[in-house]
Amino acid sequence: DAGVTQSPTHLIKTRGQQVTLRCSPKSGHDTVSWYQQALGQGPQFIFQYYEEEERQRGNFPDRFSGHQFPNYSSELNVNALLLGDSALYLCASSLFRSGRAGDTDTQYFGPGTRLTVL
Amino acid sequence: QKEVEQNSGPLSVPEGAIASLNCTYSDRVSQSFFWYRQYSGKSPELIMSIYSNGDKEDGRFTAQLNKASQYVSLLIRDSQPSDSATYLCAVRKAGGYQKVTFGTGTKLQVIP
Repeated sequence: DAGVTQSPTHLIKTRGQQVTLRCSPKSGHDTVSWYQQALGQGPQFIFQYYEEEERQRGNFPDRFSGHQFPNYSSELNVNALLLGDSALYLCASSLFRSGRAGDTDTQYFGPGTRLTVL
Repeated sequence: QKEVEQNSGPLSVPEGAIASLNCTYSDRVSQSFFWYRQYSGKSPELIMSIYSNGDKEDGRFTAQLNKASQYVSLLIRDSQPSDSATYLCAVRKAGGYQKVTFGTGTKLQVIP
């Protein structure tokens, strides 16, 4: 059973550049959420994709955008990179169920992409 | 007030002792509660989820939920040095597209 995969593992960019991060969800999952985790902080929710649409968005600027493909994989794009965008970017997958509590709303994380902006 | 609050620690316990990690949340409509473990430089790994008031046990781990007090805790029995990590509490509200909100994590150090 394939878990959540992310690519690349590490990335170094300079200010002003653009970056694309990729995520493949766990087998059987249809929902992908993206998080940013700065050093010493908990993961901060960026947005969630289900059925190829952005369903929920956290407090992040429009420079952060995403996409979900028909095979449920997802991309996170960040434009006009700032030094403060340096962080671990985490993708989490889950299976959508109408908000009812239960094991199916559990999120499983990928290994993350470490982005460094110089 | 933060949505999910945890003491950042570090919490130091001797090997073999019980480690008690605590978390409070602000939104009463929260429905799902999770504990994740995160080793330095790695991604969060799910330990347990809990949805109903009371205790839920899985091996050496016990999650406790008290919705009236808006409090969730994680007990680790017979703590091992390999349990040394940051423990993240996460909360999800009811509803189809609700996000998961994380606390800042509690760093646990198990002293051999």
